[in-house]
Amino acid sequence: AQKVTQAQTEISVVEKEDVTLDCVYETRDTTYYLFWYKQPPSGELVFLIRRNSFDEQNEISGRYSWNFQKSTSSFNFTITASQVVDSAVYFCALSEASGTYKYIFGTGTRLKVLA
Amino acid sequence: GAVVSQHPSRVICKSGTSVKIECRSLDFQATTMFWYRQFPKQSLMLMATSNEGSKATYEQGVEKDKFLINHASLTLSTLTVTSAHPEDSSFYICSASTPGVLGKLFFGSGTQLSVL
Repeated sequence: AQKVTQAQTEISVVEKEDVTLDCVYETRDTTYYLFWYKQPPSGELVFLIRRNSFDEQNEISGRYSWNFQKSTSSFNFTITASQVVDSAVYFCALSEASGTYKYIFGTGTRLKVLA
Repeated sequence: GAVVSQHPSRVICKSGTSVKIECRSLDFQATTMFWYRQFPKQSLMLMATSNEGSKATYEQGVEKDKFLINHASLTLSTLTVTSAHPEDSSFYICSASTPGVLGKLFFGSGTQLSVL
């Protein structure tokens, strides 16, 4: 069965600190996708990144970076120099790579960035 | 591109009434749509998967007679919460997939349902 674990329920940091959000997944599929989404208080899901299982290159996008470690089944997300606007709930998700692409979401990590 | 429009964004209704939520793909054909439910401070739980023109597939524990899903066209899916009760109050989010973009879902902005 597929499963996504985000062990950190809530994290508080002071503005400009770096913060890493952890994501560990379980799947028997050899081909799959991993995602990170941001959910601000308004509720909509903001897409951040998609990574397929064959691409283990780390990615950087501005202050955001992602570390995909297939050996440990982890897909961690780091925000560098955090800002108050980064305050939100962040979800990691896993989907199969064929068929209907049904997503399995983690429980989310609530990030509070304090000014 | 790939915008999913969900309406209404917020609805308040009396217990016993039915509420319909619409999910439209504005600029692409959505072969499959998904409906998620999210309780406060919790994760998104998949309720059902629907393909255009066929019956929805419900996840275990989701009452199909309570949550009616219709996917009548490649751009529209509706979720009707029948005889709503306060315990149905939740945030509902739809999403859609398209063969043109592998492995990615496009999400609506969600509907906050409050049943009094």
